[in-house]
Amino acid sequence: ILNVEQSPQSLHVQEGDSTNFTCSFPSSNFYALHWYRWETAKSPEALFVMTLNGDEKKKGRISATLNTKEGYSYLYIKGSQPEDSATYLCAFFLSNAGGTSYGKLTFGQGTILTVHP
Amino acid sequence: NAGVTQTPKFQVLKTGQSMTLQCAQDMNHEYMSWYRQDPGMGLRLIHYSVGAGITDQGEVPNGYNVSRSTTEDFPLRLLSAAPSQTSVYFCASSYYSGTYEQYFGPGTRLTVT
Repeated sequence: ILNVEQSPQSLHVQEGDSTNFTCSFPSSNFYALHWYRWETAKSPEALFVMTLNGDEKKKGRISATLNTKEGYSYLYIKGSQPEDSATYLCAFFLSNAGGTSYGKLTFGQGTILTVHP
Repeated sequence: NAGVTQTPKFQVLKTGQSMTLQCAQDMNHEYMSWYRQDPGMGLRLIHYSVGAGITDQGEVPNGYNVSRSTTEDFPLRLLSAAPSQTSVYFCASSYYSGTYEQYFGPGTRLTVT
């Protein structure tokens, strides 16, 4: 079983604060790293899919970076808003020797973000 | 385009009963998977399929069966329900190439008494 760790487990911030969370994953046999946003009573939705070491992706106030050599990714939210309150999940896809994926996506346990007005 | 659909939305079973959770997608995705979501444990992979006729086990397969006779459908069968299977179940699909970005269904909340 692969170890995909997210920290912190939960986070409370004030509206306007910037925040970041971490996803740690195995540094060998990397294929892809996904970030999902999961709002209460809804389904997870993809934020970013990252495949290359050094990748940086941005969507509005949310951005993510990837370091495959050391096995971590950061998700940043600039100027948090109450509507950013959600669980943020990262997920790791393992590569096989041929460079394709085994097809098993392993999720971290998530970071629960609450933004207070 | 309905995306990924799951039925039922809610279900209550008695211990020992069997049932099938339905999952369908209309995006012609080769890859489909089932997850269960339990408090503090994120999403755990139960079974997955990379195409019609091909399935494999995930992290927590015991007590569940799957089959994939068509590209569109990927039902999950609970053989003999146990209280430990009380959970929220999500089906997801993606193309079996590239980034594997997952599209999730709305979930089925299952309670086993």
